Amino acid sequence: GESVGLHLPTLSVQEGDNSIINCAYSNSASDYFIWYKQESGKGPQFIIDIRSNMDKRQGQRVTVLLNKTVKHLSLQIAATQPGDSAVYFCAENGNRDDKIIFGKGTRLHILP
Amino acid sequence: DAGVTQSPTHLIKTRGQQVTLRCSPKSGHDTVSWYQQALGQGPQFIFQYYEEEERQRGNFPDRFSGHQFPNYSSELNVNALLLGDSALYLCASRLQVTDTQYFGPGTRLTVL
Repeated sequence: GESVGLHLPTLSVQEGDNSIINCAYSNSASDYFIWYKQESGKGPQFIIDIRSNMDKRQGQRVTVLLNKTVKHLSLQIAATQPGDSAVYFCAENGNRDDKIIFGKGTRLHILP
Repeated sequence: DAGVTQSPTHLIKTRGQQVTLRCSPKSGHDTVSWYQQALGQGPQFIFQYYEEEERQRGNFPDRFSGHQFPNYSSELNVNALLLGDSALYLCASRLQVTDTQYFGPGTRLTVL
């Protein structure tokens, strides 16, 4: 069956350092992946997406890497700031439809 | 440009009651999806509406129903509420021809 999961439930990072959040997926047919950020009391906010024909995609301070061989996805946040504190979800939308499958999330905690 | 809006923000109901939640999609969007997010979990897809019809459905019982109006806004109805229905209910919208879904802030439903 389909599943999207994360390796660590909580990640603590020093302010200014880079953060790396990892995610594994099981559906080898998945061809579209999304990272969402969810702050307390808010809905998920789109960060960046990547399609399976790409290995890497960069945004503003964020980079997503996709390794289809081992079915692994990662989100890198450069120069982590206090405002980056949130729960980060990787999600899969393999059929390009609206059934986004979310993982359980990783809480990113920024240390001063 | 208004984002996705949802009402009410919070709601408290008792077991057996019925509830209606409302969503207005982001300006220009024609497709609305609903998700249920239990505490500490990722959102789970309930169903999607496009052209006023339910197009897809997740693993939710018939107690969960919805509607989309000609102006693309949507309602989620839940009948015969159970304690386990307590969750954050999220609405997401997109333009049918695009992939990216944008989420609203959610409605926190508590069933006592």
